[in-house]
Amino acid sequence: DAGVTQSPTHLIKTRGQHVTLRCSPISGHKSVSWYQQVLGQGPQFIFQYYEKEERGRGNFPDRFSARQFPNYSSELNVNALLLGDSALYLCASSVAGGDSEQFFGPGTRLTVL
Amino acid sequence: AQSVSQHNHHVILSEAASLELGCNYSYGGTVNLFWYVQYPGQHLQLLLKYFSGDPLVKGIKGFEAEFIKSKFSFNLRKPSVQWSDTAEYFCAVNAGGSTLGRLYFGRGTQLTVWP
Repeated sequence: DAGVTQSPTHLIKTRGQHVTLRCSPISGHKSVSWYQQVLGQGPQFIFQYYEKEERGRGNFPDRFSARQFPNYSSELNVNALLLGDSALYLCASSVAGGDSEQFFGPGTRLTVL
Repeated sequence: AQSVSQHNHHVILSEAASLELGCNYSYGGTVNLFWYVQYPGQHLQLLLKYFSGDPLVKGIKGFEAEFIKSKFSFNLRKPSVQWSDTAEYFCAVNAGGSTLGRLYFGRGTQLTVWP
């Protein structure tokens, strides 16, 4: 079975631009979570979606938004990019959100110049 | 807010040495605890987890961890490390209530094992 997939693998943007990152969960998983991992730090929670509804939001500005589609895939959008948004963005899927085990994708490496 | 502390940022061991990585968390309620591993060039993988029951949990590849509630700790251990254990290790906590479903991670411990 395919694991969590994310696209693109790498991305380079300039300050002020916006970016859309995509995630496809494991088949049968209905929840997707997004994390930001800055170099040298552990992943930091951004959003969780379950059945297309936002179930949680971390301490990130409104420039960050996300949505989940009927097929349970998800997009993370970041507007007005700042240099500090440079990070590895991880997507994790789980069967049902809550305390279900989360399976991580390979991430999207975003570089903001 | 919950926080997770990993005491060692970089640990260097020789093969066959014993390993213990510390993890402490700050949350007074019921928690689920995890250790994730990230091998070079690979994505995060679950090593082991504690939800309830026996506080000594065993994971993959010979790893185990002990939950000590009174110390808010969940330390990872392995009796004899191998070169292939070289990786970054993350402790994570999933608390209940309004934050259920969110994983709070420590900053990670880079383990280097010399052959």
